[in-house]
Formats: sequence, C-alpha cells, structure tokens
Amino acid sequence: GAVVSQHPSRVICKSGTSVKIECRSLDFQATTMFWYRQFPKQSLMLMATSNEGSKATYEQGVEKDKFLINHASLTLSTLTVTSAHPEDSSFYICSATRKEGLDTQYFGPGTRLTVL
Amino acid sequence: QKEVEQNSGPLSVPEGAIASLNCTYSDRGSQSFFWYRQYSGKSPELIMSIYSNGDKEDGRFTAQLNKASQYVSLLIRDSQPSDSATYLCAVSRYSSASKIIFGSGTRLSIRP
Repeated sequence: GAVVSQHPSRVICKSGTSVKIECRSLDFQATTMFWYRQFPKQSLMLMATSNEGSKATYEQGVEKDKFLINHASLTLSTLTVTSAHPEDSSFYICSATRKEGLDTQYFGPGTRLTVL
Repeated sequence: QKEVEQNSGPLSVPEGAIASLNCTYSDRGSQSFFWYRQYSGKSPELIMSIYSNGDKEDGRFTAQLNKASQYVSLLIRDSQPSDSATYLCAVSRYSSASKIIFGSGTRLSIRP
C-alpha cells in the first residue's frame, strides 16, 4: 500500500504557458499532500502544504499566484504552474501522508518540467 | 545553522562493507525521523522511520537515534552497488501529518 502517482511524468512547454501536475494517492486517503521542487544536485525544497478542502499553506518565497494548488479530494491534489518561465524548469515532486497514520510521507515519482 | 545537517559526500565504501551515514538536527523538539534514498532523476523512497531513542533494524538497514545528542544515523550492512544513491535525512517536529525538514543528502558510492 501507500502508492502515490503523478501525472504527467515529463512535460515540455513554451514560456508563458500554464502547466498542471496531478498528484494522486492510489490506495489510501491522504490527510495532507505536500509539493516540493528539486533543482539539479540540490535537496527537496518544500513549496506548499495542502489539506483537503482548505487553502494551501505556502512556504516563504513561493508565489501563491504563480503556483496554484487545489486539493479537491482526499486522493487528489493539483499544482498549476502559471505563465511558466525557463527558471521554473525543475523536478516537481508531491508526497502524501495517510489519514490515519503517523508522519511518514510517501512520494510520487515526480514530474520533470522543462520550459523553453 | 541548518535545521538538518548531513555531510554531502561522496562517501565511498567497498562492496560488502558497512556504510555509515550521519545526520544532526537543531530542533530539540523533533519527534519523527526518516531516512530516504534517492536515485538520480527519481523521487525519494522511504527506507526507515524512527521515533524513539535506540536502534531500529530492517533487513540490512539499521537506524540509530540519540535525541540527547540530536543525532540520527543509518547503517547499511553488506553494501551493494545498488545502494549507490543519495540518502536524505528528514526530521519532523510532530508525530502527525506535518512538515518534514530534509537535509541536503549524502551521496553514497559503493565500489565493486
């Protein structure tokens, strides 16, 4: 159990377009989902914490109007990168925690975003 | 001072030997501790979680926690080339779903 999927796994887009990334918990209900960004040879940087039915909590320095997060259900959260630019090119990873469990985060496989 | 500190490595260990990975954290109120493995280009994979002082063993992996010293380690016995990856230490202040702080990771290389 505890499988998290992400879609798409890889996306290439033109500068100025918006990209939506989906994160799903496949076999459990997720109290909370997290969105991370990872640049090459760097660690994961938390962007925002998302709880079902409420507004996401963004980390300092992360623009909420640029990175729109919607947590519509206990199994789905989406991240939309609006008006993407080349500096937004990165590896975006979501994670989820079980509704009934401790603090373990289960990670999705990640989405590689390249903005041309 | 970083909240979670790890030596970036690379740490080179011969195949079959024990690899020892270390991590220190600054928040004395931390309650949950995790080790993740990340292969290049992939997302992190949970190896171990530990919540109380002492050792916790799972197969070839042993996590050690010393809250008084604010120190957590991961031992990998009988190291295999497939263990070559970046190992991320992660710490949380809470025992329920909440923010986890990641270290920058230690790159481990197992040489045949």
